[in-house]
Amino acid sequence: DIQMTQSPSSLSASVGDRVTITCRASQSISSYLNWYQQKPGKAPNLLIYAASSLQSGVPSRFSGSGSGTDFTLTISSLQREDFATYYCQQSDTTPWTFGQGTKVEIK
Amino acid sequence: QVQLVQSGAEVRKPGASVKVSCKASGYTFTSYGISWVRQAPGQGLEWMGWISPYNGNTIYAESLQGRVTMTTDTSTSTAYMELRSLRSDDTAVYYCARSAKYQVFYYSDYWGQGTRVILSS
Repeated sequence: DIQMTQSPSSLSASVGDRVTITCRASQSISSYLNWYQQKPGKAPNLLIYAASSLQSGVPSRFSGSGSGTDFTLTISSLQREDFATYYCQQSDTTPWTFGQGTKVEIK
Repeated sequence: QVQLVQSGAEVRKPGASVKVSCKASGYTFTSYGISWVRQAPGQGLEWMGWISPYNGNTIYAESLQGRVTMTTDTSTSTAYMELRSLRSDDTAVYYCARSAKYQVFYYSDYWGQGTRVILSS
């Protein structure tokens, strides 16, 4: 199975901060990488697919980049509603594995 | 609008089975796959498998092979996930999600609300 490793596991940030989350695959996955946001008690919400394509309706402060094994999710200016847990997922090879998550907390 | 509505919470004894339903609306059911993902309490997301409502093809996570069966009923636009021989580490929230495809890229763009399955002896 392809292992997905996110860093950091958690971070504290303030409203307005630029936030970067990294996801690394154990082997090359080209651009088969999705990002989801999950709030407590809720289902995940798709933010980015194909590494850098913004899902319809998602604010433009979210962006994704990378290919091969190293990927990044960036929130350009953190808003209060962005405090949540973020997961990457590879869809190159089944099982479509997820990273362990990155919890973004209020500083 | 696209909606996936799942069945309610279930309590089961170890060794029993559970069948979770996921009723889709707002799109052509056979045009998108359905993925199933679970989340144990306080843990991350675990992909369980995928089914094509168009032809019934399935892909299961190897860790669940032999215990899980995913099916669909196209007449009611409903997907089902059955898990057998339940054990304590199957306690989780189970999600269905629409599996969309852009060129060669798959992603889950709409999710059900989740079904909590609790194992209790």
